Order: sequence, then C-alpha cells, then structure tokens
Amino acid sequence: QVQLVQSGAEVKKPGASVKVSCRASGYTYTAYYLHWVRQAPGRGLEWMGRLHPNSGVTDYSPKFQGRVTMARDMSISTVYMELTRLNSDDTAVYYCARTLAAIAAAPTPLGYWGQGTLVTVSS
Amino acid sequence: DIVLTQSPGTLSLSPGESATLSCRATQRVRNSFLAWYQQKPGQPPRLLIYGASSRDTGIPDRFSGSGSGTDFTLTISRLEPEDFAVYYCQQYTSSSWTFGQGTTVEI
Repeated sequence: QVQLVQSGAEVKKPGASVKVSCRASGYTYTAYYLHWVRQAPGRGLEWMGRLHPNSGVTDYSPKFQGRVTMARDMSISTVYMELTRLNSDDTAVYYCARTLAAIAAAPTPLGYWGQGTLVTVSS
Repeated sequence: DIVLTQSPGTLSLSPGESATLSCRATQRVRNSFLAWYQQKPGQPPRLLIYGASSRDTGIPDRFSGSGSGTDFTLTISRLEPEDFAVYYCQQYTSSSWTFGQGTTVEI
C-alpha cells in the first residue's frame, strides 16, 4: 500500500533553516508528483509546491519562492523540503502528499498524505 | 494565483441534516480541477471529491460535489456523527495550487 513516512518533529531558532524528509513506498516512486502542504496551528492548509521525482523539476508557490527548496534522492525514494530564514509564522505541521493519479494522466489532487512533521520556530 | 473563498465559515447542524458548503474562485477553474478534502483534528486531510464531482474510492455516496467555472458546492446529505469536521476546497488547474480557508461543520 502507498505509504509516505516523514521525519520527526523539529525545533528551530528564528533565522535558521529546516529540512524535512518524506520517504515513499508501495508504488512506483518516479511516476507521481509529490507536494508539500503546511498548516499553522488552528489555521488552514497552505500549498507550498511540488516536485517531479523523475526529472527533479519543481513548482513553488509564489509565497515561498526564494525560501523553499524541494529535492529528491531517487536511490532511497525520498523527497526533501528545505525552508530557510525561518520565523515564528513558519511554525506549522508540514505534510508531504502524493497525487491521486500518475504524472502521465490528467492532473489530479492529493490522494495520499504523510503523517505530518511539526516544525516549531522559537527563540 | 486563483483565490478560493469558502462559505459559510461555520455550519452548525444536527446528525441527519444536510450540509451545503460553497467554494467560489476568483478565476474560472479550468476543466473543473476542483477537489474537496475533509480534515479531523490531528489527522492529515482526506480526499473526498476530485474533478468537482467524482468521489474518491471508499467515499460514501452521501458526499456529492457539483459546480463549474467559478462556483462549486459540496453537499453532505444525512450527516453522520463522523462527518463533523473541517472541509477544504482546492484548485489544481495550474502549476500553482491553492486551498480555500475551510468550512467547519459542527454539531
């Protein structure tokens, strides 16, 4: 079955960077986009961007452009999301998620989600 | 970016009643690439509807989606106790996706 397993909680100081990992299993890793979505405490969902695991091509939300980097390690079916210049507004649960259908098909939304990684930014 | 506005912010209903949730976009959502998710506390979102009206696998038929262009609706008929949650719409029509701010369906 499809599984997305994320790395553990992080505590960072303002100005620092954080890197969250997401290991995929149970499907052909290169065939599906992987996305990152975050949710601040008590707030809604915020789309950050996506990665094409085969080519490494990324699309980022304009809000995070310049501060976020998504990358992958194909040898271990893992994607990474790094966010720099953290501030308190970046305190949130960060989710990786996979599209419902393969890249070759018509666009589809997020059908499988990781368990979430809490990132806390505090001095 | 396409901005999605959901209404109402909160719906207070009783089990057995029906819920109607609205999602309005600032631009036409091409090909009706509009999804609905359900989220419960401490859990990741769960996909309910894609393509504005197609239910994901295993989603009960009391959940239905409709709409096109800029106006979309999620209807939950005969609310079950497990349906009380937060619901989000999302557009995936471009290379920059966006979510609505959410509607809480509470008892």
